[in-house]
Amino acid sequence: GNSVTQMEGPVTLSEEAFLTINCTYTATGYPSLFWYVQYPGEGLQLLLKATKADDKGSNKGFEATYRKETTSFHLEKGSVQVSDSAVYFCALSENSGTYKYIFGTGTRLKVLA
Amino acid sequence: KAGVTQTPRYLIKTRGQQVTLSCSPISGHRSVSWYQQTPGQGLQFLFEYFSETQRNKGNFPGRFSGRQFSNSRSEMNVSTLELGDSALYLCASSLSGGGFRNTEAFFGQGTRLTVV
Repeated sequence: GNSVTQMEGPVTLSEEAFLTINCTYTATGYPSLFWYVQYPGEGLQLLLKATKADDKGSNKGFEATYRKETTSFHLEKGSVQVSDSAVYFCALSENSGTYKYIFGTGTRLKVLA
Repeated sequence: KAGVTQTPRYLIKTRGQQVTLSCSPISGHRSVSWYQQTPGQGLQFLFEYFSETQRNKGNFPGRFSGRQFSNSRSEMNVSTLELGDSALYLCASSLSGGGFRNTEAFFGQGTRLTVV
């Protein structure tokens, strides 16, 4: 079945460091790909998405490119802030009418001042 | 506009009891999905409703059920609670739910259920 694999956390960085969180997926067809973020005590917020190969999603300085050849959707940010500390989830949507997300296990990011 | 509202935010129940959780989607959204979040299993899909019809169901026992009302509000019910049902239950709403290619899902803050 379809699945999403994320790098294990926690990831601890100093403020202004470069961030990469790896995400790879297994899917038939052409899924849409998403990054969601969860702050402590909150639900999930959509960070960015890409709906077809080579699309780049971007928001709040975060970027991710849909790479079909490597089945990847890595999240990057050039300069992290303390306020970016949260759990990040990579997810795919099977565009075949199953009306659900398949999530990765989440990666906790801690940014130190 | 108002976001997705889940009530209650916190619940403590005893093993064997049943519980009902409520989700009010964003106005105009007709698709409501439910997910269970636990430290061990992560986020797992429970079911999705659209216009009062369940369109998809995850791999959970029959103790987990749900429904959607004509105003798109949804409830999920868990009967005969087990300790392992302790989790954060998240509800998500979207406009049509026709895959999420063009319409994102908006999540509520969740209901944290503790079974003792």
